[in-house]
Amino acid sequence: EAGVTQFPSHSVIEKGQTVTLRCDPISGHDNLYWYRRVMGKEIKFLLHFVKESKQDESGMPNNRFLAERTGGTYSTLKVQPAELEDSGVYFCASSQDLGSAEKLFFGSGTQLSVL
Amino acid sequence: QKEVEQDPGPLSVPEGAIVSLNCTYSNSAFQYFMWYRQYSRKGPELLMYTYSSGNKEDGRFTAQVDKSSKYISLFIRDSQPSDSATYLCAMTDGNTGFQKLVFGTGTRLLVSP
Repeated sequence: EAGVTQFPSHSVIEKGQTVTLRCDPISGHDNLYWYRRVMGKEIKFLLHFVKESKQDESGMPNNRFLAERTGGTYSTLKVQPAELEDSGVYFCASSQDLGSAEKLFFGSGTQLSVL
Repeated sequence: QKEVEQDPGPLSVPEGAIVSLNCTYSNSAFQYFMWYRQYSRKGPELLMYTYSSGNKEDGRFTAQVDKSSKYISLFIRDSQPSDSATYLCAMTDGNTGFQKLVFGTGTRLLVSP
């Protein structure tokens, strides 16, 4: 069974440009999460989808970030326009069961560098 | 003040040593405590999961939770070079979702042969 897949693995863009990150969850997983790790800091929750609906977007830093999950399958996270402080590693995670942290699986992340 | 504090390391030990990794936290509502292992360029992988206070053992790994002190630990016995990774503690209160986790910054562990 394929794990959580994220594309691209690494993206380098200039300040002011737009970047779109993609996450393919494990097949059948209704719950999809985005987390972010800014350099030197802890991994922080961004938002949670249940199927195509945003269940909790309390961690989204500002309105330059737009997450979508059309059709309840893969998800995209767009940053527009990107700022220097957006650099970091963006992780996606998915789970089938909301009731346990044991069943949450992370992707390898997208390393975003904004120059 | 961060909700979860974790020494970033690096922590260097020889093969076979007992390793102790720790986190402290400030939110008394946290009930579920996890330890993740993260290899370079990979995502976090769940190692241990504990509910409330007490100990849990899995092979060479033991997780301890002391809620009265707001302190959690992960012990690794007979450490191996393959244990070299970043270890992240994470926790949640379970009310806002078991999978909305609050992480520590991670401790980098280096086990030398």
